[in-house]
Amino acid sequence: DQQVKQNSPSLSVQEGRISILNCDYTNSMFDYFLWYKKYPAEGPTFLISISSIKDKNEDGRFTVFLNKSAKHLSLHIVPSQPGDSAVYFCAARRDAIGDMRFGAGTRLTVKP
Amino acid sequence: DTGVSQDPRHKITKRGQNVTFRCDPISEHNRLYWYRQTLGQGPEFLTYFQNEAQLEKSRLLSDRFSAERPKGSFSTLEIQRTEQGDSAMYLCASSWANVLTFGAGSRLTVL
Repeated sequence: DQQVKQNSPSLSVQEGRISILNCDYTNSMFDYFLWYKKYPAEGPTFLISISSIKDKNEDGRFTVFLNKSAKHLSLHIVPSQPGDSAVYFCAARRDAIGDMRFGAGTRLTVKP
Repeated sequence: DTGVSQDPRHKITKRGQNVTFRCDPISEHNRLYWYRQTLGQGPEFLTYFQNEAQLEKSRLLSDRFSAERPKGSFSTLEIQRTEQGDSAMYLCASSWANVLTFGAGSRLTVL
């Protein structure tokens, strides 16, 4: 049961432009959402998160938007840089203690 | 603090053999998680511990898989009678709050 879905396996953007990565979820009990970034041969590293009581969280070039009614979240990267090229995973969890469910990932390529 | 450490980083084994992976979490983290990741997929939850207690197990964790965290510090994941379908990256993560910190993973190849 895929409770977290990332429907775009890949995304390519030009350096300096905005990257928008999308994620949908099905379980309305999820109350915390995260984005992880993964480089080859490394484990996923935490990027940014948002609680279900908020609809936006910003950290530097990264902003996460949450639309609870649509069960949708997105990650905006502005401006995109070549070093942002990686696989991005959306994740969700409930109650802050149980398992964390991940999407299949979106491979972002930022071209110089 | 060196983060989450996993050993070995790579393991090649023949079908039917047993393998064991070790995870050393961040010392102040009381929760430890095991995930499995296959090509083109996101990490799939296997099990998690709070201190030494194993609190949740996924149905993906067949009876050939066993995980332990005997003293609430490091953890081991053992796979008995490995099958080719067990080939994957096994990821360990630890946390004390909402954010999981992952290790680099242990890649298993079953021939």
